[in-house]
Amino acid sequence: DAKTTQPPSMDCAEGRAANLPCNHSTISGNEYVYWYRQIHSQGPQYIIHGLKNNETNEMASLIITEDRKSSTLILPHATLRDTAVYYCIADKANAGGTSYGKLTFGQGTILTVHP
Amino acid sequence: KAGVTQTPRYLIKTRGQQVTLSCSPISGHRSVSWYQQTPGQGLQFLFEYFSETQRNKGNFPGRFSGRQFSNSRSEMNVSTLELGDSALYLCASSQGQGGHQPQHFGDGTRLSIL
Repeated sequence: DAKTTQPPSMDCAEGRAANLPCNHSTISGNEYVYWYRQIHSQGPQYIIHGLKNNETNEMASLIITEDRKSSTLILPHATLRDTAVYYCIADKANAGGTSYGKLTFGQGTILTVHP
Repeated sequence: KAGVTQTPRYLIKTRGQQVTLSCSPISGHRSVSWYQQTPGQGLQFLFEYFSETQRNKGNFPGRFSGRQFSNSRSEMNVSTLELGDSALYLCASSQGQGGHQPQHFGDGTRLSIL
């Protein structure tokens, strides 16, 4: 799986948009970009994923650059409950062999939302 | 729909003992993956099971093993426990085939070795 690079930490004011960047310059054509977050003492929570088109769901939006070398996760109106570690992962999913069921987590970005 | 359930939530063992952790996936999910999370190494993949067969394995010693039952429930076992095995053990489930589906995680079993 392609390596991803994220800033170690970011701050955001409550009610403002949180924009979390991720670099995946070596991503291959069959790798999707996934975002998960982990709130303290809980398991990781799936947020969103995409291949090359921008995606939006009830939690967030995902913007992927046209060359697919980077992406941004957007939490439109951050709340205190969004304080968590956010992981960006490039994943081949069930493409066979060593990709089955394996997510490769980096260190992620610690997002702190302030009142 | 019920989420992924892991039992027990907390466990304390001593060196040399063995331990079995349990995971019940989301109904209809046939793939179960296990991860170890420590402050030093972060989240690391242990293995994945699909339809009772191990399809993928991470870089862990043979003391770490697992299995999956016909109802997709899974267990992992760690034998001859070492202090370094103290960690949060996470289980995740997904449909396991047919393209890209996200993994859904339980809240883990926190294992402490004395």
